[in-house]
Amino acid sequence: EAAVTQSPRSKVAVTGGKVTLSCHQTNNHDYMYWYRQDTGHGLRLIHYSYVADSTEKGDIPDGYKASRPSQENFSLILELASLSQTAVYFCASSEGVDTQYFGPGTRLLVL
Amino acid sequence: GEQVEQLPSSLIVQEGASVLINCSYTDSASVYFPWYKQEPGKRLQFIIDIRSNMERKQTQRLTLLFDKKTKHLSLHITATQPGDSAIYFCSARSSGSWQLIFGSGTQLTVMP
Repeated sequence: EAAVTQSPRSKVAVTGGKVTLSCHQTNNHDYMYWYRQDTGHGLRLIHYSYVADSTEKGDIPDGYKASRPSQENFSLILELASLSQTAVYFCASSEGVDTQYFGPGTRLLVL
Repeated sequence: GEQVEQLPSSLIVQEGASVLINCSYTDSASVYFPWYKQEPGKRLQFIIDIRSNMERKQTQRLTLLFDKKTKHLSLHITATQPGDSAIYFCSARSSGSWQLIFGSGTQLTVMP
């Protein structure tokens, strides 16, 4: 199974502050994804990438930026954190377009 | 765009019972349907998948049925154990898309 790690595992941020969530995978997967999960809901795609130095918008990109500096690393950046961005964030990777392997999640609380 | 719906939203059963989780989707171009399990506080874990050219897939205590005509899937779990307690997510990917669309999940609780 793909090894996908995320840091930090939890974070408390202030409204208007900058937050960077990091994801690292070690299995040479080309595709990487950022999702958010809200209580009682499924996962919604924020950004994804299929090659280093390139990112694409998912379903809910507003308020988020992404960066893929290398095949292994994919970051999610909240330039101006807002209360509505309190959620659990999951990173995932996949070799092709099918089975995705998920990281452990980052619990973000914006106050 | 594609929408995925799961029912029921929650299930509570006694250990040893069988359960059925239903999933429906809207995009007739969907071709791939992976299911994931999320234990409390843990990552999503891939458990089984099926493609649109199949009708049934089984692995251990899991059986996944697919009906292309009605755009419906069913996940059957037999001989449930407390360790099966988790949220189960259905998802779908359309042909030509990289994106998985997830259902809202089914919370399964297996009582010992």
